[in-house]
Amino acid sequence: QSALTQPASVSGSPGQSITISCTGTSSDVGGYNYVSWYQQHPGKAPKLMIYDVSNRPSGVSNRFSGSKSGNTASLTISGLQAEDEADYYCSSYTTSSTLVFGGGTKLTVL
Amino acid sequence: QVQLVESGGGVVQPGGSLRLSCAASGFTFSSYGMHWVRQAPGKGLEWVAFIRSDGSNKYYADSVKGRFTISRDNSKNTLYLQMNSLRAEDTAVYYCAKDVRWDLPHYFDYWGQGTLVTVSS
Repeated sequence: QSALTQPASVSGSPGQSITISCTGTSSDVGGYNYVSWYQQHPGKAPKLMIYDVSNRPSGVSNRFSGSKSGNTASLTISGLQAEDEADYYCSSYTTSSTLVFGGGTKLTVL
Repeated sequence: QVQLVESGGGVVQPGGSLRLSCAASGFTFSSYGMHWVRQAPGKGLEWVAFIRSDGSNKYYADSVKGRFTISRDNSKNTLYLQMNSLRAEDTAVYYCAKDVRWDLPHYFDYWGQGTLVTVSS
């Protein structure tokens, strides 16, 4: 159950787009379309942003989008806003019928 | 609206035990699988365990297997985590989270606010 690999940090200016990658293996990310993404502000519980690779829950801005190619999933945030500054985590279902998270990425809006 | 409220956290000595509870409301608790997820201070999220809606199947992270037990009481709309043989590395905020499925771990659509467990002598 090794954690998925995410960049430790990314940054962008307001209005720009950024992409956060999430790399796993064929036993998790590559094997299923069950990747989800969560946003976490300091001291708060995580919030679901994307599920099943590219689906947005009701109420989540369409500035957030997800995709997957092979063993790597990606979260793209377009039109960056100050309130997007947070930690982001990917998660995937695995062949062991468990879930695994990425190490998390700190997004800084410059 | 969906509410998940954890309780039972606190300070415990290494080797000790603690039981966490999560009171659920605002949805049909007995229809959904439930999770425990933890976050060590300043660290990332770690999935801990999942239990099927009827309690018949349970899945655990390798790091807690054999020490932690997830359970539920659908008559009380409550999820539990029994933690035994606690170690310093189990120190974390523990979140309960609702799954969208009843049978296998998928993703979390609602989270509680968490309860802090500190393992220290």
